[in-house]
Amino acid sequence: AQRVTQPEKLLSVFKGAPVELKCNYSYSGSPELFWYVQYSRQRLQLLLRHISRESIKGFTADLNKGETSFHLKKPFAQEEDSAMYYCALRDTGGFKTIFGAGTRLFVKA
Amino acid sequence: NAGVTQTPKFQVLKTGQSMTLQCAQDMNHNSMYWYRQDPGMGLRLIYYSASEGTTDKGEVPNGYNVSRLNKREFSLRLESAAPSQTSVYFCASSERGERIGNTIYFGEGSWLTVV
Repeated sequence: AQRVTQPEKLLSVFKGAPVELKCNYSYSGSPELFWYVQYSRQRLQLLLRHISRESIKGFTADLNKGETSFHLKKPFAQEEDSAMYYCALRDTGGFKTIFGAGTRLFVKA
Repeated sequence: NAGVTQTPKFQVLKTGQSMTLQCAQDMNHNSMYWYRQDPGMGLRLIYYSASEGTTDKGEVPNGYNVSRLNKREFSLRLESAAPSQTSVYFCASSERGERIGNTIYFGEGSWLTVV
């Protein structure tokens, strides 16, 4: 069965420090993975997807099929990065997207 | 362009009452979804509709029913509300089956309390 695991419920870092939000998945096929973010008082929205291999707001995420991971990284955290982050996996049929439990990131001044 | 709109935003129900959450999208998306968000459990898929005329169960369908009224609208019904259904409910939509750009667009959420 497909599953997305985000082991950290809460992550607190200082401004300017590197940040890594962990995501591990289990899936029998070829996964399509995403990171979504929910800022305070805003809608849940897409941050980035692995197939685009893009950097958004300084964040990057690399799909590691050997370790079945899709960790989100940023070299220098900013206070405005404080938010709830969800890792998500879309199934082969492309209709169902499963989310992890989420990690709340606090960036302290 | 409002995106995904869901109503009501807040609702308090008594155990056993029924209600329907309404959702509409104006992006001409084929696929629509209902998720619930609970602390420590993240977002869990209740039901989804891959295209107009079809609906399928997600991870936690028990106690819910859905109707894909047309391409724009996808409603979620609680027939007999229970305290365990206290949650934040999100409606969402996406393009159908396209591997590139399969972004999900979310509504603002509906806060439901069952007492």
